[in-house]
Amino acid sequence: QVHLVESGGGLVKPGGSLRLSCAVSGFTFSDYYMSWIRQAPGKGLEWVSYISSSGNTIYYADSVKGRFTISRDNAKNSLYLQMNSLRAEDTAVYFCARPVYGSEWGTLGDWGQGALVTVSS
Amino acid sequence: QVVLTQSPSASASLGASVKLTCTLSSGHSSYTIAWHQQQPEKGPRYLMELNSDGSHSKGDGIPDRFSGTSSGAERYLTISSLQSEDEADYYCQTWGTGFGVFGGGTKLTVL
Repeated sequence: QVHLVESGGGLVKPGGSLRLSCAVSGFTFSDYYMSWIRQAPGKGLEWVSYISSSGNTIYYADSVKGRFTISRDNAKNSLYLQMNSLRAEDTAVYFCARPVYGSEWGTLGDWGQGALVTVSS
Repeated sequence: QVVLTQSPSASASLGASVKLTCTLSSGHSSYTIAWHQQQPEKGPRYLMELNSDGSHSKGDGIPDRFSGTSSGAERYLTISSLQSEDEADYYCQTWGTGFGVFGGGTKLTVL
């Protein structure tokens, strides 16, 4: 059974940094693209970033480009999101998700339960 | 850039059927989309992938009550025999090289 478990969320001041982790199990992590999606309080879903199975291909939404860094450690079955220069508008629940078809980016088939990041002074 | 448009809300009675719509922006009517359900205070759940020709493949364990159809730039999610647990937010999603896009979501109320 596929499990995606986010951790590392919390309260951080504007301009601060935070690193989210997503521990996965139940599938061969190194075969799959992975993605981060966020949801601001009371709002809809927003795609943040995705990374290829090898880590060689990475893309970001314009709203986080230059501030956030996605990475993965296939030996540790873990996905990461390093968030720097955080702003109030980055306050959201952050979900990691796995595409249905591992070898390509596309339909998201499995989701974690989310980690709340609050940016406030 | 492709944009997905959804009505903010919908409602239907217990046991009835409801059809939710996701509209692709002009020039993007061939895109495949996915439907996701998000129940209150939970993470999203994948329902199905829906192609422009109406063919679709559902996620594991998704009941037959959930079905998808397509017409031009419109992608539909039909839920029949509505149950109380179907009350949730429903999002459509699409993608391309270098981006992902979600619709604004439809809040479904089961009366």
